[in-house]
Amino acid sequence: QVKLQESGPGLVKPSETLSLTCTVSGASISSTTYSWGWIRQPPGKGLEWIDTMSHSGSTYYNPSLKSRVTTSIDTSKNQFSVRVTSVTAADTAVYYCARHYNSAFDVWGQGAMVTVSS
Amino acid sequence: SSELTQDPVVSVALGQTVRITCQGDSLRNYYASWYQQKPGQAPILVMFGKNNRPSGIPDRFSGSSSGNTASLTITGAQAEDEADYYCNSRDSSGKHLGNVFGPGTKVTVL
Repeated sequence: QVKLQESGPGLVKPSETLSLTCTVSGASISSTTYSWGWIRQPPGKGLEWIDTMSHSGSTYYNPSLKSRVTTSIDTSKNQFSVRVTSVTAADTAVYYCARHYNSAFDVWGQGAMVTVSS
Repeated sequence: SSELTQDPVVSVALGQTVRITCQGDSLRNYYASWYQQKPGQAPILVMFGKNNRPSGIPDRFSGSSSGNTASLTITGAQAEDEADYYCNSRDSSGKHLGNVFGPGTKVTVL
């Protein structure tokens, strides 16, 4: 059974950098079959796609976030991570990591709430 | 504004059929995927591709597409189907990994 688990600080100060890691179990993050992505959801609002990274490391970003977001992969730990720089209150959200397969996000993590506040 | 549009709220009587729609230019060329989200929970995939249900999703859920509109139909809605539903497809870049979500439809089962 494939599982994804987000981890990282729950509170980040304005103008600082938000960093989250997704640990994958039950599947290899190096597999050529899958891609991996991040999605977020501000409180009371809808889902917002952040990025998707292929097994080769090619990453596609939401144009509205592209200048502030980077994604990396650590195959030795079976993890991938996202960093969002210069955060504001608008970046407060539940952040989900998910597996991308057959043009869909088929497995999701439980989500990690991140609050941007001083 | 979202590249995909959905009706904000849809209601259905228990046991009746409801269709949730998603409109967008990308849907003329690419299939949508659909996600169900209940309060306090992560979304789950309920439909992808032409009309494919992941394992464990009841067969009362079905998908279809025509022109710029994708639809998720629940035939014989149950109380547990009350949730928010989001469509997802490629964004305007057309890139394989470029994505966009619709704003979501809240389905109420009466």
